[in-house]
Amino acid sequence: EVQLVQSGAEVKKPGESLKISCKGSGYRFSNYWIGWVRQMPGKGLEWMGVIYPGDSDTRYSPSFEGQVTISVDESISVAYLQWSSLKASDTAMYYCVRVALAAALNGWLDPWGQGTLVTVSS
Amino acid sequence: DIQMTQSPSTLSASVGDRVTLTCRASQSIDSWLAWYQQKPGKAPKVLIYKAFKLESGVPSRFSGSGSGTEFTLTISSLQPDDFATYYCQQYNSYPYIFGQGTKLEIK
Repeated sequence: EVQLVQSGAEVKKPGESLKISCKGSGYRFSNYWIGWVRQMPGKGLEWMGVIYPGDSDTRYSPSFEGQVTISVDESISVAYLQWSSLKASDTAMYYCVRVALAAALNGWLDPWGQGTLVTVSS
Repeated sequence: DIQMTQSPSTLSASVGDRVTLTCRASQSIDSWLAWYQQKPGKAPKVLIYKAFKLESGVPSRFSGSGSGTEFTLTISSLQPDDFATYYCQQYNSYPYIFGQGTKLEIK
């Protein structure tokens, strides 16, 4: 079964750093783009960026460029989403997703991870 | 960037109704459109890709149509499990953009 399993919920203070993870299984991890989607409380889905584990080619949505860092450790089939200095406005659910077609940047998203809730509050 | 607009934002309907949700793109995206269903507290899941292809395991009461800039998701006979929020997503060009969602509520 193709599966993405994300790390657990986090509660942080403004200004702190954070790295959340997403582990892929059931498929050749290096061959599929992995992306991140933000969903703020009660709001819709926002595309953040994507990375190709095979060569770490990374593309960000303009809204998130410079705000987060996407990385990958191909050897353990894990993708990461990282903040260096969190803000209260980063409070959201974050989903990792796989682009469904092998080696294709443009594709639908399947599967989705279960989500990681990040709460930033003083 | 391409903009995606869904309508209506909220739709009230009854079990057994036939409903149609609309998604419009600000420029042509050919047929590179997917539809997702999200239930409260759950991750979205894909229903339709390439505008009309039904994802494996998705009930046949769901169907998608359209190309270019105008797309629809139709549920032929609403079931209790279908009350959820639906999002469209274009993947014609990067960055991917989602519509703002249509919340399907029980009347």
